[in-house]
Amino acid sequence: GQNIDQPTEMTATEGAIVQINCTYQTSGFNGLFWYQQHAGEAPTFLSYNVLDGLEEKGRFSSFLSRSKGYSYLLLKELQMKDSASYLCAVRSHVGNTPLVFGKGTRLSVIA
Amino acid sequence: EAGVVQSPRYKIIEKKQPVAFWCNPISGHNTLYWYRQNLGQGPELLIRYENEEAVDDSQLPKDRFSAERLKGVDSTLKIQPAELGDSAVYLCASSGTGIAKNIQYFGAGTRLSVL
Repeated sequence: GQNIDQPTEMTATEGAIVQINCTYQTSGFNGLFWYQQHAGEAPTFLSYNVLDGLEEKGRFSSFLSRSKGYSYLLLKELQMKDSASYLCAVRSHVGNTPLVFGKGTRLSVIA
Repeated sequence: EAGVVQSPRYKIIEKKQPVAFWCNPISGHNTLYWYRQNLGQGPELLIRYENEEAVDDSQLPKDRFSAERLKGVDSTLKIQPAELGDSAVYLCASSGTGIAKNIQYFGAGTRLSVL
């Protein structure tokens, strides 16, 4: 079966750093994705990892350990606009196969 | 470049009524997906198209749901008749080929409320 786990909610302070964890158990693995989704809006692509290690893109970084079935999304210098849901998703097979999503982590950034 | 366009953004219907959603993917994207997202959940796949061919529709409730992508571009998703449990956001996504083929781009979705 497919199982992707991430915390339901997190709260962090403006200017701080927050790490959102994701663990997965899937029948196969061909990449892990992070999406940001503001309420009532489309999920927006943030990052993609297929090899172990850290991918950095501005204030956002994503890490993958395939042997542990584990990823995290790191957000630095938090801003109020970062308040959103963050979705972890896994693609199980090669090609344009569908993503299997976690339930999302709702992040609230407070002053 | 325009993103994935969906319409309508919102739809309210009574149960047992039909409803249809429309999606225009990013130009040049051959793969199109329909996902359903329930409140507080991640999106779940309903159907995937490669050009005009439905290549993965195992999660589509075929007794009431249908979809088409006749010319391999726009797509429509239909529910007939709608049930209360169909209330959700219906998301369309597309992906291309080449270096960007891994990334799925989503539309803003259609929020369906069945009363």
